[in-house]
Amino acid sequence: QSALPQPASVSGSPGQSITISCTGTSSDVRTYNYVSWYQQHPGKAPKLIIYDVSDRPLGVSDRFSGSKSGDTASLTISRLQPEDEADYYCSSYTSLSPVVFGGGTKLTVL
Amino acid sequence: QVQLQESGPGLVKPSQTLSLTCGVSGGSLTSSGGFYWSWVRQHPGKGLEWIGNIYYSGSTEYNPSLQSRLTISIDTSKNNFSLKLRSVTAADTALYFCARVWRTTMLTPSWFDPWGKGILVTVAS
Repeated sequence: QSALPQPASVSGSPGQSITISCTGTSSDVRTYNYVSWYQQHPGKAPKLIIYDVSDRPLGVSDRFSGSKSGDTASLTISRLQPEDEADYYCSSYTSLSPVVFGGGTKLTVL
Repeated sequence: QVQLQESGPGLVKPSQTLSLTCGVSGGSLTSSGGFYWSWVRQHPGKGLEWIGNIYYSGSTEYNPSLQSRLTISIDTSKNNFSLKLRSVTAADTALYFCARVWRTTMLTPSWFDPWGKGILVTVAS
């Protein structure tokens, strides 16, 4: 199964909000609430920041939030900070595979 | 807290078998049965690619694109799980991660947490 489409890059200034989309199908995002999001800094392992569409693990800032509408899941980062600059990946359970990741989005904090 | 650590050769020759092990500390592979154990890879400069999952019982799920070359196994006595990828080519050069995967009430894999730090494997002669 191909990676879930995400925008290749997004950018924002400190203090602003940005949203990253993750587009799925009826085999994954639309049907199942098992979407998760990961933050990856260069040379580091991915870090879970959102699970089950909109839940945040303990210790993750409330500036990170997730949502879903139809085929599209979204990650919103509010009050951008320089340390938010990283790559972000979505993931979903899929009835076809059973796991698929998004293609990844590079966030630049201007 | 649970920690994972990948180990294995960093260089593999083309056509040979890539073998990696993920050691789990701070918890048991069999604890509560609520987890899968997974391998994920990342080609240089690219995104994440799911390789496969294994349950403590030994049941597996593989990425269809790798299934014909792939074996994931588990050793509960050593508290680790392993990856073997046969007939490798340069296209298998990647950073390989192991991770714990939470199991949903539908008994499907869901989110990946925690992750190991990753191990870079280069396929070259």
